[in-house]
Amino acid sequence: NAGVTQTPKFQVLKTGQSMTLQCAQDMNHEYMSWYRQDPGMGLRLIHYSVGAGITDQGEVPNGYNVSRSTTEDFPLRLLSAAPSQTSVYFCASSTGLADQETQYFGPGTRLLVL
Amino acid sequence: DAKTTQPNSMESNEEEPVHLPCNHSTISGTDYIHWYRQLPSQGPEYVIHGLTSNVNNRMASLAIAEDRKSSTLILHRATLRDAAVYYCILRDVAFWTGTYKYIFGTGTRLKVLA
Repeated sequence: NAGVTQTPKFQVLKTGQSMTLQCAQDMNHEYMSWYRQDPGMGLRLIHYSVGAGITDQGEVPNGYNVSRSTTEDFPLRLLSAAPSQTSVYFCASSTGLADQETQYFGPGTRLLVL
Repeated sequence: DAKTTQPNSMESNEEEPVHLPCNHSTISGTDYIHWYRQLPSQGPEYVIHGLTSNVNNRMASLAIAEDRKSSTLILHRATLRDAAVYYCILRDVAFWTGTYKYIFGTGTRLKVLA
């Protein structure tokens, strides 16, 4: 199993550009999430999905869109990049079963917006 | 949303036990207590979780106060590889409403001295 994979590993954008961060998992997990981590801070939940076709907002959803057309993939779209979106982005997946849940995190995407 | 409070940093000598505290005075009855750790330049990794009873696994032990307002992660013999940021997280997944709350705090940076 590859686990949770994220691409790209690093990206530089100019203000106003759009891009999609890719996330895929091969563990057949229903729950997938996107977090951002600013320097010296903990992770903050952007969006999450409880299954294909179902998404919802987390703590900091503004400026980001998500969709979940398959169980495996959960892309995060930046509509119009801003310097405030410079951060490290982590994707995670889990079974969602309350007493057994373990979140598996990807290696992260470092995004710099100039 | 229920929050957690952790010390910013702690130090431990190698081969000695480490007790990492976490306060969560507003925890609800359905919140599981999760601990994750994040090594430098990596995504978080699962350590342990529990609901009411103390828990043990190969990595650590979790001691939960009787009133559930606090918990302690115990590393029985710290090694240099245990140097990381440790996050105490309250996790509530309400399947009946579809909500999914997984709120990270700023964590405790553990330094292990050789």
